[in-house]
Amino acid sequence: EPEVTQTPSHQVTQMGQEVILRCVPISNHLYFYWYRQILGQKVEFLVSFYNNEISEKSEIFDDQFSVERPDGSNFTLKIRSTKLEDSAMYFCASGLGTIGANVLTFGAGSRLTVL
Amino acid sequence: GDSVTQMEGPVTLSEEAFLTINCTYTATGYPSLFWYVQYPGEGLQLLLKATKADDKGSNKGFEATYRKETTSFHLEKGSVQVSDSAVYFCALRKLTGGGNKLTFGTGTQLKVEL
Repeated sequence: EPEVTQTPSHQVTQMGQEVILRCVPISNHLYFYWYRQILGQKVEFLVSFYNNEISEKSEIFDDQFSVERPDGSNFTLKIRSTKLEDSAMYFCASGLGTIGANVLTFGAGSRLTVL
Repeated sequence: GDSVTQMEGPVTLSEEAFLTINCTYTATGYPSLFWYVQYPGEGLQLLLKATKADDKGSNKGFEATYRKETTSFHLEKGSVQVSDSAVYFCALRKLTGGGNKLTFGTGTQLKVEL
């Protein structure tokens, strides 16, 4: 069964450092998403991406965050200058469409720890 | 805005007990409703879904019925197993702009003991 692959599974970084989280969505999917889950809290939407541009973003997704799809297969989330409160599990998801029973498929997550 | 409210956990049950995890939602229009499960150390996996009122989603013995009149999507299982221990997330999806996004509840941790 096709799956969404995320790397790294766990990254530890110092506050102020740049981090790039990588995702390989399912190959024929067109819509891509990042969500995050701070330990003990709910899963929160960060950003959606379609047709090589951001289609929606949450208030969490401020100027320190960026996404891109550099080569047609990878989908990356960059955090320019990490803060302690960025420590979370980051989930990538992809979807084929937006109607009916189309569902999002999630990756296993990348755990980011900011020290 | 849209929101999902789940019962707080943890819920602790004995094996073979009946499970209900309550979920209610607030949304305009006609969202699709989902239950996702997160096993320890793993990512989110779709458990079941329902796309319109009165639909029943089912998978692995779990069921949930989309009740528009009560804006609810309660998860049930007749006989839980230790392997069902996980965090269960209720979510809704609305179509927005060029894609769609999920709005999740806070998650309910289920612990099943022998």
